[in-house]
Amino acid sequence: DVKVTQSSRYLVKRTGEKVFLECVQDMDHENMFWYRQDPGLGLRLIYFSYDVKMKEKGDIPEGYSVSREKKERFSLILESASTNQTSMYLCASSLAGGQDTQYFGPGTRLTVL
Amino acid sequence: AQKITQTQPGMFVQEKEAVTLDCTYDTSDPSYGLFWYKQPSSGEMIFLIYQGSYDQQNATEGRYSLNFQKARKSANLVISASQLGDSAMYFCAMREGHQGAQKLVFGQGTRLTINP
Repeated sequence: DVKVTQSSRYLVKRTGEKVFLECVQDMDHENMFWYRQDPGLGLRLIYFSYDVKMKEKGDIPEGYSVSREKKERFSLILESASTNQTSMYLCASSLAGGQDTQYFGPGTRLTVL
Repeated sequence: AQKITQTQPGMFVQEKEAVTLDCTYDTSDPSYGLFWYKQPSSGEMIFLIYQGSYDQQNATEGRYSLNFQKARKSANLVISASQLGDSAMYFCAMREGHQGAQKLVFGQGTRLTINP
């Protein structure tokens, strides 16, 4: 069974803090993705990675960075959290080639005060 | 321009009725894939069904089917015999091309409520 896990379901941080969101998949997928979801805007891609140590910007990378040191783990970093980064963050992974169905984790609801 | 458009922000349906959720897309790439996901109140995105641009038949998965009309660029999700557990947000998404890490573009979603 496919499994993507995220380190926290709920997180509350203060403005200016450095925030780490962790995502782990156990399906040996090459591709991993970070999205944020806001009401009325659907899911928007922040960053993705198609291999270890590789990363590419998505549609809204500003204010975020990522790290992929191991194939199964993809971290999203908010260097200095701001209130406009309060959102639901979803991680996904997919196998390279073919249908490329993305499988999602349960999400992290981040609140920045 | 929107690549994926879901025009129904919310829908209310009686239990056991069939329901159609609309999705139109915009792409000039001949190779693409269309996905539907369900997001219950718990927040997790659940993959439902996939249609490839070259697939001749409409995709079906249990009570879910995809009404794929290529010329109209529409990929509506049909849920037959709706159940209370079908109440959720539903997202249509598109993958363009077939090389490299494939990004998905999502629509804004439709909130489906099944009434008993």
